Amino acid sequence: KAGVTQTPRYLIKTRGQQVTLSCSPISGHRSVSWYQQTPGQGLQFLFEYFSETQRNKGNFPGRFSGRQFSNSRSEMNVSTLELGDSALYLCASSSDRDTEAFFGQGTRLTVV
Amino acid sequence: GQQLNQSPQSMFIQEGEDVSMNCTSSSIFNTWLWYKQDPGEGPVLLIALYKAGELTSNGRLTAQFGITRKDSFLNISASIPSDVGIYFCAGSYTGANSKLTFGKGITLSVRP
Repeated sequence: KAGVTQTPRYLIKTRGQQVTLSCSPISGHRSVSWYQQTPGQGLQFLFEYFSETQRNKGNFPGRFSGRQFSNSRSEMNVSTLELGDSALYLCASSSDRDTEAFFGQGTRLTVV
Repeated sequence: GQQLNQSPQSMFIQEGEDVSMNCTSSSIFNTWLWYKQDPGEGPVLLIALYKAGELTSNGRLTAQFGITRKDSFLNISASIPSDVGIYFCAGSYTGANSKLTFGKGITLSVRP
């Protein structure tokens, strides 16, 4: 069974640009959550999608958005990039909110 | 909001030693998860706990779900160099806004 796949693995963008990251969950999993990880802040929850609906959201500005497709694949978008958005972005999938969450390898975003 | 406390931030042990990590919460949880993260990779699920008092092992790893449901611990026995990494605890509680809450992680170093 394939794991969680995130693409791309690495990205370099300049300030002001926008970026879209992709996450393919484990087959059969309908919940996808996104996290931002930085050395100083640890793992911070961005949002969770379940069956194409956002059912939970963290404390991030509106520049951070996401969506989920009917096949459970999810994308997150960050607009008007800032230097502080440089981080490892992780997605995790689970079959439901109360069961184990499995992470992808992450996308390392660097904003210059 | 819910917070998970993991301390200390870093631990240094000698190869072959046992090490124990604790995670405490200001709120009760009904799921506790322990993850390990290697540099540049996503967290990997080590152990999942679902019942207060539950003690679960995975090879040299043992974790327990505290009786009060506000804490959990992870024990690694006979440490080896590949145990190096960041260990995160995570908890969740069933509810309208249920989501996994993560601790800030403990960086484990193992001296050969």
